[in-house]
Amino acid sequence: RLEQSGGGLVQPGGSLRLSCEASGFSLRGFEMNWVRHIPGKGLKWISYIDSTGLTKYYEDSVKGRFTVSRDGAKNSVYLQMTSLRADDTAVYYCARGGLEVALWGQGDLVTVSS
Amino acid sequence: EIVLTQSPATLSLSPGESATLSCRASQSVYSYLAWYQQKPGQAPRLLVYHTSSRAPDIPARFSGSGSGTDFTLTISSLEPEDFAIYYCQQRANWPWTFGQGTTVDMK
Repeated sequence: RLEQSGGGLVQPGGSLRLSCEASGFSLRGFEMNWVRHIPGKGLKWISYIDSTGLTKYYEDSVKGRFTVSRDGAKNSVYLQMTSLRADDTAVYYCARGGLEVALWGQGDLVTVSS
Repeated sequence: EIVLTQSPATLSLSPGESATLSCRASQSVYSYLAWYQQKPGQAPRLLVYHTSSRAPDIPARFSGSGSGTDFTLTISSLEPEDFAIYYCQQRANWPWTFGQGTTVDMK
């Protein structure tokens, strides 16, 4: 499974780092993704990292503010979020896979508010 | 950005009935179309990927079809646990995008 942590309440302009740790299997060889859900507004795919860590994609609204990374030794993937805005408030999910994205974390609520 | 438009917005049906959900893309996504189910407070659950391949442990009553710009998810006989929101999603071009969702609720 994928265990997520790091979410919480942060002020506008602040930073948070979300973590996604795999248990029971190795993340090596898997593409990984971050998707966020704003209730009533649907789902948005915000970042992707390939199995090597060399290819990374970001959705336009987070480009330049969010950074995805992975650590094989810790069997984890991270989403570093900076310059957070109110409209970044959402539940963030990490998800494993490329064509078949069948394993998802439990979700992590990020609230950006003063 | 590829826009996915789902119809209808809401489908009101009874258990045992079949459901047909549609997804139209603003440009061709070839076969790179997936379907997810989401219930309140839960992560999305992959049902179908690459248009018609069922994900592991997904019951056979879920099936996907289509190509290019027009896709369909069919649920052949609704079970009580199938009442949820369904999203289509493309991964033909970055940014990968979701449709706005179809809610299947109980009549």
